[in-house]
Amino acid sequence: AQKITQTQPGMFVQEKEAVTLDCTYDTSDPSYGLFWYKQPSSGEMIFLIYQGSYDQQNATEGRYSLNFQKARKSANLVISASQLGDSAMYFCADNALPSNTGKLIFGQGTTLQVKP
Amino acid sequence: NAGVTQTPKFQVLKTGQSMTLQCAQDMNHNSMYWYRQDPGMGLRLIYYSASEGTTDKGEVPNGYNVSRLNKREFSLRLESAAPSQTSVYFCASRPGLGELFFGEGSRLTVL
Repeated sequence: AQKITQTQPGMFVQEKEAVTLDCTYDTSDPSYGLFWYKQPSSGEMIFLIYQGSYDQQNATEGRYSLNFQKARKSANLVISASQLGDSAMYFCADNALPSNTGKLIFGQGTTLQVKP
Repeated sequence: NAGVTQTPKFQVLKTGQSMTLQCAQDMNHNSMYWYRQDPGMGLRLIYYSASEGTTDKGEVPNGYNVSRLNKREFSLRLESAAPSQTSVYFCASRPGLGELFFGEGSRLTVL
């Protein structure tokens, strides 16, 4: 079965430092795209950033960027200048095959704690 | 700006009871989804509906039924609740292959 893997159950980072959250996928579908979501302790799911497989450059949204490496099948989220409000759970997600079904599957998540 | 609205927010059931989680979206999205979230498991897809009148199973459909009542509404029914269905349930909708828009979640406890 298709899998999205987040190997870091928990991460710590010092405030104002950068942190990378790992995500690997196993799809070979050329039309896949990768999403990242944030879930703070309040529970809502917040969309952060998207990377399409045909995008020429890594996606960037403010302090969030994607380090997309097709050969390694990884789409790591980089958060620069961490803030206390970045403490949350982060999920990577991918279109399940076949991608035209619209199903989106998620990794297990990484809990990030930002230390003051 | 309601987005995706799901009810109830909290529910406690006894084993064997039935209930329906309601979901409605006002963004005119064709696709709607039900996920469950359990500690250490991420979000797992229960059922989804690619368009009005169609539904399909996701990763963990056993014990659940769904109804796509119209383009706006997608309900999830537990016919005979079991403790293993204790979870947080999220409804979501999606425009094409763009990002998912989530409801606030429904916390269900089955005793």
